[in-house]
Amino acid sequence: QKEVEQNSGPLSVPEGAIASLNCTYSDRVSQSFFWYRQYSGKSPELIMSIYSNGDKEDGRFTAQLNKASQYVSLLIRDSQPSDSATYLCAVSSLFNTDKLIFGTGTRLQVFP
Amino acid sequence: DVKVTQSSRYLVKRTGEKVFLECVQDMDHENMFWYRQDPGLGLRLIYFSYDVKMKEKGDIPEGYSVSREKKERFSLILESASTNQTSMYLCASSSLAGDYNEQFFGPGTRLTVL
Repeated sequence: QKEVEQNSGPLSVPEGAIASLNCTYSDRVSQSFFWYRQYSGKSPELIMSIYSNGDKEDGRFTAQLNKASQYVSLLIRDSQPSDSATYLCAVSSLFNTDKLIFGTGTRLQVFP
Repeated sequence: DVKVTQSSRYLVKRTGEKVFLECVQDMDHENMFWYRQDPGLGLRLIYFSYDVKMKEKGDIPEGYSVSREKKERFSLILESASTNQTSMYLCASSSLAGDYNEQFFGPGTRLTVL
């Protein structure tokens, strides 16, 4: 079982819709959770961090964390074609907080 | 803003050459990381360093070495490049300060070994 799992996609949504990206993780003592956006040919860019159960909102982005079910999700409201990218989920462990384990990413396509 | 820079965006080398990839960060971060990214395999950690002259192997250290002589600079060395080391190489840094450990990435170096 992979430590951090994401559906590779592509996830296709129309412009203006809500895009929902999901990530599950296997380490029960995971502590910190991150979402990175990566455009084709570019490096990952941090867009959201979440540490506590519940929702965290930042502009059009909402991260949701459920530690009991071991999943973290990213919602993108009012999706724009410029949101088309690969979204990487990353998780750190309570026992090794310096290192992150990355999922392989979900490719999002927002069509006009 | 955190700035992480890498010495080259694109690099072409021949099999057997010694290759140096350099990374510099300007935010006084303690931790620095080298990853490679390949299609379908995601980001894989090669080495990381949590202090000057300190290093720890990641998941795929074979064929690589690292050097950290100054806090801001972390170098990845391919002693004898091979074609299976053709990849995108990403450097990242993070701070020990506070509760968070977000990693910030440089622009990446796309290395081709012929």
